[in-house]
Amino acid sequence: EPEVTQTPSHQVTQMGQEVILRCVPISNHLYFYWYRQILGQKVEFLVSFYNNEISEKSEIFDDQFSVERPDGSNFTLKIRSTKLEDSAMYFCASTRDRNTEAFFGQGTRLTVV
Amino acid sequence: QKEVEQNSGPLSVPEGAIASLNCTYSDRVSQSFFWYRQYSGKSPELIMSIYSNGDKEDGRFTAQLNKASQYVSLLIRDSQPSDSATYLCAVRTRTDDKIIFGKGTRLHILP
Repeated sequence: EPEVTQTPSHQVTQMGQEVILRCVPISNHLYFYWYRQILGQKVEFLVSFYNNEISEKSEIFDDQFSVERPDGSNFTLKIRSTKLEDSAMYFCASTRDRNTEAFFGQGTRLTVV
Repeated sequence: QKEVEQNSGPLSVPEGAIASLNCTYSDRVSQSFFWYRQYSGKSPELIMSIYSNGDKEDGRFTAQLNKASQYVSLLIRDSQPSDSATYLCAVRTRTDDKIIFGKGTRLHILP
């Protein structure tokens, strides 16, 4: 069964460093998303991506964040200068079309020290 | 701001009984509704999607949608200890390109 895959599963980084989180969405899906979940809190929307551009972003997704689809399979989230409060689980998700259900990757646990 | 509200629980249900999970949403133009299950430290796992008013059954799970009341629920029949998890209600509106999640309801099935 097709699935969304994310790497790495756990990333530890020093405050101020750049990190890139990687995702391979399901191959025939057209819409891609990043969400984050701070420990004990709700799953929060960060950004959606369609047709090689951002279609929607939340207030959390400020200038420190960027997304890219560098080739036909990968979808990345970059955090330019990490802060302690960026520590969270980051989930990538994809949908076949705009209204259908999202399938999530297993997540990347980001720890900023 | 568009909201999805759930009782955080924990909801404790005896094994074999029916667990009933509820969710309300604020945006009337919401059109797609989802229930996800999340085990601690894991990613959300889709259980069911529902798009029109009424009931939708899949195995032990039944989703119920009432758009007039802005209410969606999930029933789990014959609850098993493995059903113990946090259940996330999620909603997509007609105008937004995102799925909004509630905070989740923690369900504990008592053996």
